[in-house]
Amino acid sequence: AAGVIQSPRHLIKEKRETATLKCYPIPRHDTVYWYQQGPGQDPQFLISFYEKMQSDKGSIPDRFSAQQFSDYHSELNMSSLELGDSALYFCASSSRGLAAQETQYFGPGTRLLVL
Amino acid sequence: GQSLEQPSEVTAVEGAIVQINCTYQTSGFYGLSWYQQHDGGAPTFLSYNGLDGLEETGRFSSFLSRSDSYGYLLLQELQMKDSASYFCAVSGHNYGQNFVFGPGTRLSVLP
Repeated sequence: AAGVIQSPRHLIKEKRETATLKCYPIPRHDTVYWYQQGPGQDPQFLISFYEKMQSDKGSIPDRFSAQQFSDYHSELNMSSLELGDSALYFCASSSRGLAAQETQYFGPGTRLLVL
Repeated sequence: GQSLEQPSEVTAVEGAIVQINCTYQTSGFYGLSWYQQHDGGAPTFLSYNGLDGLEETGRFSSFLSRSDSYGYLLLQELQMKDSASYFCAVSGHNYGQNFVFGPGTRLSVLP
């Protein structure tokens, strides 16, 4: 079965640079979520989209922005990178239309290292 | 806002049964989910409770009491591969909104 795809899997950037993370949800899933997870921490919800519209916003810094495109893939844009942005970034998708149960399927994550 | 509490660590032996509790305080509630995460891996969905009661999925069961703002994950016939972090997560007012993970419980299964 198709899973959530994230690219790149690893990314090394320097301070003040920009980064773009991509997420391709499971086909026919209409909701995408972005999370940030630091070492030994729980995943922190950043932002979600439903049918290409922002659904909810969590602890996403103003330096970050995201959008969901017409083909349902999503991109997380991160600017003015800081050392503290080094983390695992997960994308998850779910299908609101199929069931009330909110089951999120996570991608493998993008490991971002800011030097 | 939302806050969740879980024990930070639990240790058990192979074949045993372990229960991981989760209490939550939320301004709204839609459902309680449980996820498993191995080191370096992605969270994997285990179970969901939208209504009070017990949900059973193979060796894993999850329970919810909305009146007590409490739930638990029950793992039976523990195996070494169950060693991982387990997170409860709450959805707030509606589907896909105010989704918050708990701090996670690290389960170590000993031979």
